[in-house]
Formats: sequence, C-alpha cells, structure tokens
Amino acid sequence: DAGITQSPRHKVTETGTPVTLRCHQTENHRYMYWYRQDPGHGLRLIHYSYGVKDTDKGEVSDGYSVSRSKTEDFLLTLESATSSQTSVYFCAISESGVASDTQYFGPGTRLTVL
Amino acid sequence: AQSVTQLDSQVPVFEEAPVELRCNYSSSVSVYLFWYVQYPNQGLQLLLKYLSGSTLVKGINGFEAEFNKSQTSFHLRKPSVHISDTAEYFCAVSDLGSGNTGKLIFGQGTTLQVKP
Repeated sequence: DAGITQSPRHKVTETGTPVTLRCHQTENHRYMYWYRQDPGHGLRLIHYSYGVKDTDKGEVSDGYSVSRSKTEDFLLTLESATSSQTSVYFCAISESGVASDTQYFGPGTRLTVL
Repeated sequence: AQSVTQLDSQVPVFEEAPVELRCNYSSSVSVYLFWYVQYPNQGLQLLLKYLSGSTLVKGINGFEAEFNKSQTSFHLRKPSVHISDTAEYFCAVSDLGSGNTGKLIFGQGTTLQVKP
C-alpha cells in the first residue's frame, strides 16, 4: 500500500469555523490531489499540487484553499466551513502527473459541518 | 468537456453469478480509462486501466474490462463474484489533452451488492 495518511479521519465542526485537513505521504511523489466524494457525484477534484508551493484549482475549488510547503504534506483549508462542505475528503498522489499515471488514495476524512 | 456516466447506481447479484458494471464516457480527444474499487470505509484502489493496445484489460481480483472506442464504453466484468467483491466501483477517465496534471474525471459510482 502507498504510504498516505490523512488527519483527522473524522471531524465535526460548526458553520463558519475554519478547518484544515492534512495529507501526508511517504512516497516522495510529485503530484498530490484533494477530492471530495458525495453521493451521486462520485469524486470531484478540489485542488491539486505539482510541486512544493505549486498548486492549481480543480473542478470544485470555491471555498477551499491549499498549501504545500513540503513534498510530503498537502493541506486543505476550509476558511469558513458551510453545511454544503459536509463530505468525505480524499487525498491522492501520483508519481509524475501524466495522464497514464495511477493515483493512489488515502483512507479519507469524513467532515460534518453542522 | 469530458464526462463519465455509470449507468447503474446499484447492481445486486448473487454469489458466483457473473456481473457487468457499465461505463460510458464522452471526450473529444484520446483518453486513458480506469476502474477503481472502494471497499467500505476505505480509500480507492486501482482495479485496472486501459492505456493502449489490446482492448481487453485484465485487473486484480479476477476483474476485466473491455474498451470499445466506437461505443465509447469501458464496461467492467467478472465471471463469478464473491461476497468480498461487495464494494463501490468507480470508472474514471483522463485525457491526453490535460497536460501533465493527471486530472481524473470520475463517474458517479456503482454499488455492487453480492448476496449469498
């Protein structure tokens, strides 16, 4: 199994509070991704990173920001959480980011915004 | 724009029966195709992927998928399922026009329920 951990694994928070989710990898892969999983929508890309301090938006980036200060860590921040951000969040990594690359997924973080 | 459609949200099947999970995609450029599996309370793991060459792709756990370019489909099959195959299955596509980003577009997912 690829060495990917996510923390916390579960979080309940209130509307309007900031939340940061962490993804940590031990594979030294260049690309890292944040997805959200919602019933009926599959997984949708929020943001991705192609190197330290290099990030870009995905399909559903509104309300989210990311940072990557080290190769191994990719943080997802909800500046002011809303109930529509209740979801399961997955981090993924890939070695080179080419279209044929396999993405390896972390175990997920279940976030509930009340 | 690319899109992926998984035609069945749930597929119930009895143990040892064959199963097919359907996936159709739309794209104006050449694509790579993937099937991922998600067991309860876990992350996704790759079952198989089609990059080029033979249109029949074999994956882990006895699964295989067939790429059909004319029908823009990539259906997943297994000749005999086990209880342990109960999971959610996702079809995904990445296109060669996305540059070096590896972005995946996922279908909505199909829940395979294997009954004893």
